[in-house]
Amino acid sequence: AQSVAQPEDQVNVAEGNPLTVKCTYSVSGNPYLFWYVQYPNRGLQFLLKYITGDNLVKGSYGFEAEFNKSQTSFHLKKPSALVSDSALYFCAVRDLMNTGFQKLVFGTGTRLLVSP
Amino acid sequence: DSGVTQTPKHLITATGQRVTLRCSPRSGDLSVYWYQQSLDQGLQFLIQYYNGEERAKGNILERFSAQQFPDLHSELNLSSLELGDSALYFCASSPRLAGETQYFGPGTRLLVL
Repeated sequence: AQSVAQPEDQVNVAEGNPLTVKCTYSVSGNPYLFWYVQYPNRGLQFLLKYITGDNLVKGSYGFEAEFNKSQTSFHLKKPSALVSDSALYFCAVRDLMNTGFQKLVFGTGTRLLVSP
Repeated sequence: DSGVTQTPKHLITATGQRVTLRCSPRSGDLSVYWYQQSLDQGLQFLIQYYNGEERAKGNILERFSAQQFPDLHSELNLSSLELGDSALYFCASSPRLAGETQYFGPGTRLLVL
């Protein structure tokens, strides 16, 4: 079964510093990987995805993620954190079902706290 | 704004009751997915519909059911509610193709007392 792991429950970073939120994956076949962000009392917002191609994926709000096949990782990064980036971040992997359709399998989430 | 709408935003009800959650997908999207987010289970896939037909089931209880109507909106019905059903219920939509992004609605927060 497809799965992702987010090893950190919380990441703390000072505003202006680079941030990394970690995600590792376990899949059979080629991974389709996603990052979503959840702000308080809001739904999940899509940030970026990796399907194929360049290992560095650029997404919304200045975020990017690096796909590393040898380390089975898909870490989310941002060069300079903002206080407004404080939120809950989810890594997800596509699980292609026998119907031909997909569901998303989510990690447990990492809370990012950016201090002023 | 993802373009996916969900109503109501909040729902408070009692154990044993039945509720209906509604979702309207993004314009043009034929697939609708339902997910449950709870503190102990995290984000879990419940069920998927495509163009009115059920296509996949996840960890959905028998007390729960869903349907997708001809106008493509979907409803999730939760019956014989228990305290443990308290959670945030998300709807997501996407076009048909594999690898596409699922766009999520704002969710319905259900509290069972």
